Amino acid sequence: DQQVKQNSPSLSVQEGRISILNCDYTNSMFDYFLWYKKYPAEGPTFLISISSIKDKNEDGRFTVFLNKSAKHLSLHIVPSQPGDSAVYFCAASQGAQKLVFGQGTRLTINP
Amino acid sequence: GAGVSQSPRYKVTKRGQDVALRCDPISGHVSLYWYRQALGQGPEFLTYFNYEAQQDKSGLPNDRFSAERPEGSISTLTIQRTEQRDSAMYRCASSLIPSGGAGSYEQYFGPGTRLTVT
Repeated sequence: DQQVKQNSPSLSVQEGRISILNCDYTNSMFDYFLWYKKYPAEGPTFLISISSIKDKNEDGRFTVFLNKSAKHLSLHIVPSQPGDSAVYFCAASQGAQKLVFGQGTRLTINP
Repeated sequence: GAGVSQSPRYKVTKRGQDVALRCDPISGHVSLYWYRQALGQGPEFLTYFNYEAQQDKSGLPNDRFSAERPEGSISTLTIQRTEQRDSAMYRCASSLIPSGGAGSYEQYFGPGTRLTVT
């Protein structure tokens, strides 16, 4: 039972363009959502989060959108930079407890 | 400041041996989580602590797995009688806010321990 799904295993974007990573969830009790970025041989690094009471949160080049009715989450990166190349995980929690992760999307930014 | 540290970073053990994996959370962080990550997958929850109290161990695969955090800081995940299927990356994370508490809630991850059971 995969409660959090990232249906795109990989995404390739040209430098300077917008990267959009998507995530779907099934558990309507989730109330907090996070995006993590992971480089090889490192642990996941927290990127940005959003509470279920909001539909958008922005931090610099990164914006997370939440569509509760569709149970859909997306991360926008604009403009994309070569250092953004990494694996991105979305995660969800209920009551600020354990995180449930998606399978990850490998983002490659091409020069 | 220092992040979450885990030791050892790599552990190779023979089937049937016991292993102990250590996690040192960010100083002052109240909650500590253990996850396991298979190749090509996201981390999967194992167990977590608020202070020294184990709050949820529903993710532990079986009774060969146990965890403790006796003084509310460092935690040890122990796997007894290891099997080849236990081979994975074991990740620890900590958060400042107690799980279930109000406020911004992020978990900060350590580099992980790569366990290989031969």
